[in-house]
Amino acid sequence: QVQLVQSGAEVKRPGASVRVSCKASGDIFTGYYIHWVRQAPGQGLEWVGCVNPSGEGTNFAQKFQGRVTMTRDTSVSTVYMELTRLRSDDTAVYYCAANWGSGYWGQGTLVTVSS
Amino acid sequence: DIVMTQTPPSLSVTPGQPASISCNSTESLLHSDGKTYLYWFLQRPGQSPQLLIYELSNRFSGVPDRFSGSGSGTDFTLKISRVEAEDVGVYYCMHSIQFPPTFGQGTRLEIK
Repeated sequence: QVQLVQSGAEVKRPGASVRVSCKASGDIFTGYYIHWVRQAPGQGLEWVGCVNPSGEGTNFAQKFQGRVTMTRDTSVSTVYMELTRLRSDDTAVYYCAANWGSGYWGQGTLVTVSS
Repeated sequence: DIVMTQTPPSLSVTPGQPASISCNSTESLLHSDGKTYLYWFLQRPGQSPQLLIYELSNRFSGVPDRFSGSGSGTDFTLKISRVEAEDVGVYYCMHSIQFPPTFGQGTRLEIK
């Protein structure tokens, strides 16, 4: 059974950083792009960025440039997304997803930014 | 960035009746490799998005054949031939022909 399992909910203060993990099983990790998509409360889906299968290439939405990093740790089949200088409008559910046509999505991680 | 526009924003359908959702892109999604990089997702309440259609018209594994995707270039349609109660949720189109991939704003389907 192929799965993407994400880390648990986080509550952060404005200005802090958050790291969300996405652990992949099966062959997802070695051969797939991993994308991150977020969804603010009551809103639609927004692509944040992605990391390529080797982990040596990333691509980010313009609005997150300079605030987001994405890395892969092969030893634990896990992809990480770190978002820095958090603001209240970063409050959202963050999803990881493998290649778009794969159908594989994580269960989502709620990140709440509040003072 | 390519802008994806979905219509209608919402629709209410009687079970057993058809439904149709349109999606337009500001640029062609037809790649030089011959594929059209348009996807349809359904997000049921409280769940992660799930893939329905990939590359314009290919139903993902396990998706009922009452769902179909069609279109070309910049104009696309998701059709449900006979709506069932389990089809409730928000439908999103998305392109991946270039970075950044972008989503439509969503179409909420409810059952009458």
